[in-house]
Amino acid sequence: GAVVSQHPSRVICKSGTSVKIECRSLDFQATTMFWYRQFPKQSLMLMATSNEGSKATYEQGVEKDKFLINHASLTLSTLTVTSAHPEDSSFYICSATLGSGGAQTQYFGPGTRLLVL
Amino acid sequence: DAKTTQPNSMESNEEEPVHLPCNHSTISGTDYIHWYRQLPSQGPEYVIHGLTSNVNNRMASLAIAEDRKSSTLILHRATLRDAAVYYCILSAQGAQKLVFGQGTRLTINP
Repeated sequence: GAVVSQHPSRVICKSGTSVKIECRSLDFQATTMFWYRQFPKQSLMLMATSNEGSKATYEQGVEKDKFLINHASLTLSTLTVTSAHPEDSSFYICSATLGSGGAQTQYFGPGTRLLVL
Repeated sequence: DAKTTQPNSMESNEEEPVHLPCNHSTISGTDYIHWYRQLPSQGPEYVIHGLTSNVNNRMASLAIAEDRKSSTLILHRATLRDAAVYYCILSAQGAQKLVFGQGTRLTINP
C-alpha cells in the first residue's frame, strides 16, 4: 500500500525557535498533500493543502506566515513552524492523496509530536 | 461540507462483530462516504469508502442505506488491535480534502 513518512517523529524545542517537519510519500507521487494538527482528546484539524509547485492553501484562521509550507517535489512537503510558542505544541500529521475524482484516498503519516518549552 | 453524526463511543468484545453507525442526512448525490480510523498516537488509516453500493475489503464492510442518509461500518470479528477512533467522512466528488468530525471511540474488551 501507499506509505507516507514524517520526520522527525517527535521534537522538543525552545520558545521562539523554528521547527521544520518533513512529509514524504515513499512509493507514490503526490501532487497534493495536507497538513493537520491535533490537540489531545480532539479530532484532526485541517491546516492547509500543499500543492506541488504552487503556494499552499490555508484554512481559515491558520496563519500562513507562522506555518510555512513548501511542496518542492512530488514526494516531499515540509511544514515549518516559525517562532514556535508553547501553544503550538501539538501532534502534526500530514497526508497525501492517491486516486482521482471523488474516490481519492488519503494516506497519512505517523505524525510528529511537537513540544515547545 | 456535509455533516456526519456518530456516537461518541462504543464498546464490544473481542472476536465479535461490531457495527459502527453514521448518519449523514444532508448527503448530496455525488458525496462519497469514507471511513478512517486512528489508533492511539498514530496518524489515521484508511478503512473503506463507498458511494451507493455496499462495499467489502479485507478490513471491513460498508453498508449504505438505500436513501444514503446513513451508513454502517462493519468489523466482522473485532480484535484488540481494532480499538481506535473511527471517523465517518463525506467528500464531494472531485474534492480532495477531508473534514474530520469527532468520530466514535471503539473499545474492545478481551
